[in-house]
Amino acid sequence: ETGVTQTPRHLVMGMTNKKSLKCEQHLGHNAMYWYKQSAKKPLELMFVYSLEERVENNSVPSRFSPECPNSSHLFLHLHTLQPEDSALYLCASSQGPSGGAYEQFFGPGTRLTVL
Amino acid sequence: GQQVMQIPQYQHVQEGEDFTTYCNSSTTLSNIQWYKQRPGGHPVFLIQLVKSGEVKKQKRLTFQFGEAKKNSSLHITATQTTDVGTYFCAGRGQAGTALIFGKGTTLSVSS
Repeated sequence: ETGVTQTPRHLVMGMTNKKSLKCEQHLGHNAMYWYKQSAKKPLELMFVYSLEERVENNSVPSRFSPECPNSSHLFLHLHTLQPEDSALYLCASSQGPSGGAYEQFFGPGTRLTVL
Repeated sequence: GQQVMQIPQYQHVQEGEDFTTYCNSSTTLSNIQWYKQRPGGHPVFLIQLVKSGEVKKQKRLTFQFGEAKKNSSLHITATQTTDVGTYFCAGRGQAGTALIFGKGTTLSVSS
């Protein structure tokens, strides 16, 4: 087990729905990440939180809203999504605040389908 | 912006054959990491390379970091069916920047 859990594992939602994805890490790490993984595309970094502060936001549409209440929990709030937002959403954590210098531990992901 | 290109996109081999995937960056990297994602699974960290020309081995896997720190490779000797999955490289540019992932190479192995 990676020590990073995500819920729900699968989610189907309409374009007018509001839902939230949850991620929890049990590794005592300082940084947490949201990635989007679509078919035939590389892993796309969406948000980075270091010590509970957002340090990177890669031009993600405002219909995705992250929240990091503490160093162990990370949420991704979703509203008025589009069908092209259907993808696997992966949460990851790493020991240090400088994201690229440490190995990242990924959760199992949430498979999101937007109808 | 920084890009990380990975080739080939797909590779099918017979069990026992060797396999290599290549990673190239448009800019000099501070470090490079490799991950493996099994079908239906999530990426799992394999290794990190930091030094120019560095070579690391993990059993049948050999990882190399180029002298110019702009390219890397992963070589698997005598593939097994358990090697099936997608192998990603991920590079970091300047210190403090996030990892940029390549598109991955998906390996299939037939017995």
